[in-house]
Amino acid sequence: AQKVTQAQTEISVVEKEDVTLDCVYETRDTTYYLFWYKQPPSGELVFLIRRNSFDEQNEISGRYSWNFQKSTSSFNFTITASQVVDSAVYFCALSARSNTGKLIFGQGTTLQVKP
Amino acid sequence: DTEVTQTPKHLVMGMTNKKSLKCEQHMGHRAMYWYKQKAKKPPELMFVYSYEKLSINESVPSRFSPECPNSSLLNLHLHALQPEDSALYLCASSQDGGAAANYGYTFGSGTRLTVV
Repeated sequence: AQKVTQAQTEISVVEKEDVTLDCVYETRDTTYYLFWYKQPPSGELVFLIRRNSFDEQNEISGRYSWNFQKSTSSFNFTITASQVVDSAVYFCALSARSNTGKLIFGQGTTLQVKP
Repeated sequence: DTEVTQTPKHLVMGMTNKKSLKCEQHMGHRAMYWYKQKAKKPPELMFVYSYEKLSINESVPSRFSPECPNSSLLNLHLHALQPEDSALYLCASSQDGGAAANYGYTFGSGTRLTVV
């Protein structure tokens, strides 16, 4: 069975603080993909990153960075110097080959960035 | 065009009404999906169409009826819904159904449905 756990339900920070959103996943597949999506109040799921199970290289995109560690089954997301516009719900998701590519979402983390 | 377009953005319907949600993409994707999202919950998969054929139905009640008239268009027909069906309905597409994760998913902005 596949599962994604986002233990942090809500996080509140003050603008310019760094914040890390945790994601822990479970799968027996050796081939799988991990995703992060941002969902602002408007509702659209905005794609942030996709990482396959064979690529443990960390990635940085502007203020966003991702730390993928297979040893701990974690795929954490860090926002550096947070801004009010980062306020949203963030979902971590897993898609495994054995599950015909279905996206399994975590429960989401609501991030509030205060000015 | 790298978008998935959903209409309408908002819909209020009575329990005896019949309505339809529409989803359109012009990225040449061959798999399309319907997700249901309740407030403060993650999206839940409802249906998957792959190459215009229904490939996955996640035990969705028959009052929800999907339709894929062509590779660019996906509809969700609604009939005799209940108030608990009120939710955000998201459409998504991917280049391929079976190996969708290889290519990623593109989501629309959703239809906020209220059943009264």
